[in-house]
Parts: sequence; C-alpha cells; structure tokens
Amino acid sequence: GAVVSQHPSRVICKSGTSVKIECRSLDFQATTMFWYRQFPKKSLMLMATSNEGSKATYEQGVEKDKFLINHASLTLSTLTVTSAHPEDSSFYICSAEKRAPYEQYFGPGTRLTVT
Amino acid sequence: GESVGLHLPTLSVQEGDNSIINCAYSNSASDYFIWYKQESGKGPQFIIDIRSNMDKRQGQRVTVLLNKTVKHLSLQIAATQPGDSAVYFCAETGSSNTGKLIFGQGTTLQVKP
Repeated sequence: GAVVSQHPSRVICKSGTSVKIECRSLDFQATTMFWYRQFPKKSLMLMATSNEGSKATYEQGVEKDKFLINHASLTLSTLTVTSAHPEDSSFYICSAEKRAPYEQYFGPGTRLTVT
Repeated sequence: GESVGLHLPTLSVQEGDNSIINCAYSNSASDYFIWYKQESGKGPQFIIDIRSNMDKRQGQRVTVLLNKTVKHLSLQIAATQPGDSAVYFCAETGSSNTGKLIFGQGTTLQVKP
C-alpha cells in the first residue's frame, strides 16, 4: 500500500497566529512531497515541492516566508502557515512521491479556518 | 501558461448508466496523464493513468481514452454507481520533468438512484 496521512484534519486558529500541518508517508519513504491548496469547488493548486534535505521549491506567487516548508525526514514534511489571516483559510492537501516521478499518493487534507 | 481544463463542470447520470467525463489539455509535451477521484472533504484518489504512447487503457469499470491529435482525454465509467459520485480531476505532467502535476478544473459527477 501507499498511505499518506495529514495532521490535523481540521484546525481553527485566530488571525495572526501560526499553524503547522504535518504530512507523513506511513509505509514508504518519500524524498519528494508536494503541497497543494484547494478552494471550495476549485481545483488543486500546487504551492510548493518539498525535497528531503533541501529547500522547498515554491510556485510562482506563493510566499515562501508565509508558507514555511520543512522536509525533515523521508517520511515527514511540514507546512507552517505563519501569521495566518482569514484569506489563508483553505483546504491544504499534501502528496508524497513513492517510486517513480508522478506516482503521487495524496493525504486526506487539512481544513484550515482562520478567524 | 499551462492549463488543463474540463468541458463540463457537472455531469448527472442515472445509476447503471455509463458516464463519460472529458478533459482538454493544453501542453502537447505532456507524456503522462492521470485521473483522480475526490470525495467531499478528502484528498484525491488515483483512478487510472495513461502514457502518451497509448490511446486507451482499461481498468475495472473504468477506461481512459487519449486523443493526442486534439489533446483530449476522457474517462469512461461503466455501470455508474452511487459511490461514484464525486469530483473527477484529470492531471497532466506538463513540459517539466520535476514530478509536478497540473490539475484540471474538475467535473462533479452526480449519480441519481
């Protein structure tokens, strides 16, 4: 199998605080993980590529100082939304690349609500 | 920029009928395509994939067709069931070789009992 988990599944935070979301590959190692953002009734938008042992690669328009990504091990990547604001409220989804490029397995997503 | 789009935002079918979900992609350099199913509040789930050197690939109750001439991809679901109700996304690799996927806008499939 290829299972990817995310924690937490839902989080509500106050404006100005920071929130960390974890993405774990449970039964395989992933040197590459991806973070996506999804608005209601919209498609997945790639935010960044997370590489184990090196800096993340951010997509155009994504603020790297606001969305901090750390790929500390072959099974864990974290996304920290710093100084969150209501417009950061969204569904954040990670995926982990198992063997070949494009063989991505997705986590269940994290619903972030900033009040 | 690169984009993958879908012709219809919502498709409503009767239980037991066949469903066809379409996707138009823009990058002729894409060599790998994937269909995902996403249920409400969950992450995307792999359904089937196809490489650009193929025209058709079949799975269990699903078939993907690729027409590179018109850059069109379709997903056919046979004997659609209520459990098939979800949003379906096509994804392509684009012109990069970085493992990144480009997702289409999604089609919502509604199965009427």
